[in-house]
Amino acid sequence: KAGVTQTPRYLIKTRGQQVTLSCSPISGHRSVSWYQQTPGQGLQFLFEYFSETQRNKGNFPGRFSGRQFSNSRSEMNVSTLELGDSALYLCASSLDNDETQYFGPGTRLLVL
Amino acid sequence: DAKTTQPNSMESNEEEPVHLPCNHSTISGTDYIHWYRQLPSQGPEYVIHGLTSNVNNRMASLAIAEDRKSSTLILHRATLRDAAVYYCILRYSGAGSYQLTFGKGTKLSVIP
Repeated sequence: KAGVTQTPRYLIKTRGQQVTLSCSPISGHRSVSWYQQTPGQGLQFLFEYFSETQRNKGNFPGRFSGRQFSNSRSEMNVSTLELGDSALYLCASSLDNDETQYFGPGTRLLVL
Repeated sequence: DAKTTQPNSMESNEEEPVHLPCNHSTISGTDYIHWYRQLPSQGPEYVIHGLTSNVNNRMASLAIAEDRKSSTLILHRATLRDAAVYYCILRYSGAGSYQLTFGKGTKLSVIP
């Protein structure tokens, strides 16, 4: 089975721009979660989607949004980018009611 | 969320057992204890989880104290590939709550 894939792997943007990151979960997984990882704050939960609905949300501003499609693929969007949004964005998928989350390799975003 | 406390770093010699401790004195009865690890330049990887009883899998063993206020991840024979940051996480097992709350973790160095 293929693992979680994330595209693009690397991205450079400038302040004020917006960005969309994509995540394809493991086949059959309907839950997709997003995390932000920075050296200062560590790994922080952004949101989780299940069956196209946002089920949980972390403590991030409204500039961070996401969605999930009927095939469970998910995208997250960050609008009006700030320098502090530079981070590794990780996506994880799981079966519903499964304790295990499977992470992708992440998308490294650099905001200049 | 209940919090966990881990040492910032630990060292181990290659091919020796490693015991990674985690304190979680405010754990509730419905919290599972999860361990993930993150190798350099990769997303986190599931290692093991448990509720009350000790658990074994091909990667590691998890020893849970009788009062559940602490646990220990045991790598039976450390290899260079085990050098990573190890995260001990409490995950609420109730419905509709699937996020992982990561702490700082323990950075494990393996000495050849």
